[in-house]
Amino acid sequence: QVQLVQSGAEVVKPGASVTVSCKASGYTFSDHHIHWVRQAPGQGLEWMGILHPNGGSLRYAEKFEGRVTLTRDTATGTMYMDMTSLTSDDTAVYYCVRDRSGSWTFDYWGQGTLVTVSS
Amino acid sequence: QSALTQPPSASGSPGQSVTISCAGTSSDIGAYKFVSWYQQHPGKAPKLIIYEVSKRPPGVPDRFSGSKSGNTASLTVSGLQAEDEADYYCSSYAGSPWVFGGGTRVTVL
Repeated sequence: QVQLVQSGAEVVKPGASVTVSCKASGYTFSDHHIHWVRQAPGQGLEWMGILHPNGGSLRYAEKFEGRVTLTRDTATGTMYMDMTSLTSDDTAVYYCVRDRSGSWTFDYWGQGTLVTVSS
Repeated sequence: QSALTQPPSASGSPGQSVTISCAGTSSDIGAYKFVSWYQQHPGKAPKLIIYEVSKRPPGVPDRFSGSKSGNTASLTVSGLQAEDEADYYCSSYAGSPWVFGGGTRVTVL
């Protein structure tokens, strides 16, 4: 079955950086884009960016341009999301999400990674 | 402020129907067929329940249905059940980026 397994919760200080990983299994890694979506406590969903495992289709939401970097490791089937210059506003659950090919739809979600920014 | 507009709450008694609206623009919902809906229970990741306006993934009950008219999409949950109590989010492709609604909390009375 399709699984996206994310790295564990992080507590980071303001101004620091964080990396969240997302290991895919149960399907052909190269066949599907991966999105990143975040959800602040008690808030809605926010799209951050997209990357295809072949390195193409790299796009970021405007508010994250320059602060978020999406990468991938095709050998291990793992996607990464790096975010720099963190503030308390970045405290959220971060999800990696598979795109349903041809539908531009978020079909399988990782379990989420809570990133807490606190001094 | 979310790009798509949903009512913050909706409710119904067991067995009744509830419809959630999702208002967008001619640049997102009005321009593409790629409208989807997600159900999220507390502490859980969202789950896809409707894609491409009205299609259901395998395993999603046919009590869930979707539609679109102009720049507004809708999700109807028929025959409400206790387990349908959750937050529901709409989303639309907008030519990259993708946009979400602010979410609607459905309460089963």
